[in-house]
Amino acid sequence: AQRVTQPEKLLSVFKGAPVELKCNYSYSGSPELFWYVQYSRQRLQLLLRHISRESIKGFTADLNKGETSFHLKKPFAQEEDSAMYYCALNRSGNTGKLIFGQGTTLQVKP
Amino acid sequence: GAGVSQSPSNKVTEKGKDVELRCDPISGHTALYWYRQSLGQGLEFLIYFQGNSAPDKSGLPSDRFSAERTGGSVSTLTIQRTQQEDSAVYLCASSRTGGQPQHFGDGTRLSIL
Repeated sequence: AQRVTQPEKLLSVFKGAPVELKCNYSYSGSPELFWYVQYSRQRLQLLLRHISRESIKGFTADLNKGETSFHLKKPFAQEEDSAMYYCALNRSGNTGKLIFGQGTTLQVKP
Repeated sequence: GAGVSQSPSNKVTEKGKDVELRCDPISGHTALYWYRQSLGQGLEFLIYFQGNSAPDKSGLPSDRFSAERTGGSVSTLTIQRTQQEDSAVYLCASSRTGGQPQHFGDGTRLSIL
C-alpha cells in the first residue's frame, strides 16, 4: 500500500540553523511529491512540488527515488518558518487524491 | 479572488445526530476533494469529485458518510448518526483539474459530544 512517513512529530531548531524535515514514501510507481505548510491560524497551502524543482521561501526538496525520500531542506531557518509541514504523494496517473504524512511541527527558536 | 470557503467553521452536535458540512470551491475549479484530520493523525482522503464523472468514494470510512456535488460547484459532506470518533477537522480542497495543486479551505471543526 502507498504510504508517506514523516518520522519526526516535532523538530526544534535555533534561528539561522539548517533545517531538514524528513519524508519517506512507499510506492512502486513514479510518484509526484509535494510539501504543504500550515502556519498558525492559516489554511493549508502548497509549498513545493517536486516537478517544479523550485526554491520557495528558501526551501528545496529533491526526490530521491533510490531512497524513496523527499526531504525538505533550508540552510538557514527563520522564525517565520515555524509551522506544520506535511509531505504528500500523488500516484502516477492518479488524478490528485493525495496521500499525506502525519506532519512535522517545525519550531524555530530565536 | 475568493478561496475555498467552508461552513460552518465549527460544529458541535450530539452523538447520533446527522450533520452537513458545506464546501464552496474556487470558481472554475473542476476537481473537489474532502479530507479529514483527526487528532494526532495526518490528513486522510475521503472523497474526490472531478467534473461530471462518478466520484471516487474510496476513502469514505463507513456508509454513514456521503457527499454530493451539485451543479459541479458546491459540495456537501453528510455524516449520519454521528459517533464520537467522527470528531475531526474536515477539510475541503479544489483544483483546476485533477492532479493540479490543491487549494484548501479553513476546514470545519466537528465535535461530537
